[in-house]
Amino acid sequence: SQQGEEDPQALSIQEGENATMNCSYKTSINNLQWYRQNSGRGLVHLILIRSNEREKHSGRLRVTLDTSKKSSSLLITASRAADTASYFCATDGDSGTYKYIFGTGTRLKVLA
Amino acid sequence: SQTIHQWPATLVQPVGSPLSLECTVEGTSNPNLYWYRQAAGRGLQLLFYSVGIGQISSEVPQNLSASRPQDRQFILSSKKLLLSDSGFYLCAWSMGLGGNSPLHFGNGTRLTVT
Repeated sequence: SQQGEEDPQALSIQEGENATMNCSYKTSINNLQWYRQNSGRGLVHLILIRSNEREKHSGRLRVTLDTSKKSSSLLITASRAADTASYFCATDGDSGTYKYIFGTGTRLKVLA
Repeated sequence: SQTIHQWPATLVQPVGSPLSLECTVEGTSNPNLYWYRQAAGRGLQLLFYSVGIGQISSEVPQNLSASRPQDRQFILSSKKLLLSDSGFYLCAWSMGLGGNSPLHFGNGTRLTVT
């Protein structure tokens, strides 16, 4: 079963605008990760945030985590056409396991 | 550096035929290995994972099986494919407990069962 649900399912913005995607999950977690998938390709890891962290930055990416609400958000600032992709959150599911459970993804389209 | 190879990239197979997808990892030892399936426009469904040679955990009862005959080799198989087995199959590896480190994905195999 899927742990996370991303919102929105699809997002279309103009180049230069910011894009925000949200992820909600169901169980307690140790870590949450965000991945990017270009069409027809494998996923690429973007950022990992631990349950005791509230915010993390990596270049134009900003991730927040609210464990009380079981939610996370990914903000991409100053978007570019090359950011067009699907974005997924992933959690460790049951604590202490080897599983990575993915959400349903947000399809981002950045218009030039 | 570590690399992951997955093949073939695309595959068209008739219903009832067998399947074998292979994945190998280079540049690391004793990785955790994973098979995921992705339906068109959907999220990833965890099929199998392995934390060592011969150790396979199955997440979803289905028409597929997995094996890990060598430390860095992971194989996904089926004796008789169903139409519902069509999808995008992704192999991945990681180190450590789930969620503690990134997953590294191969480029996937697009399987169409006709």
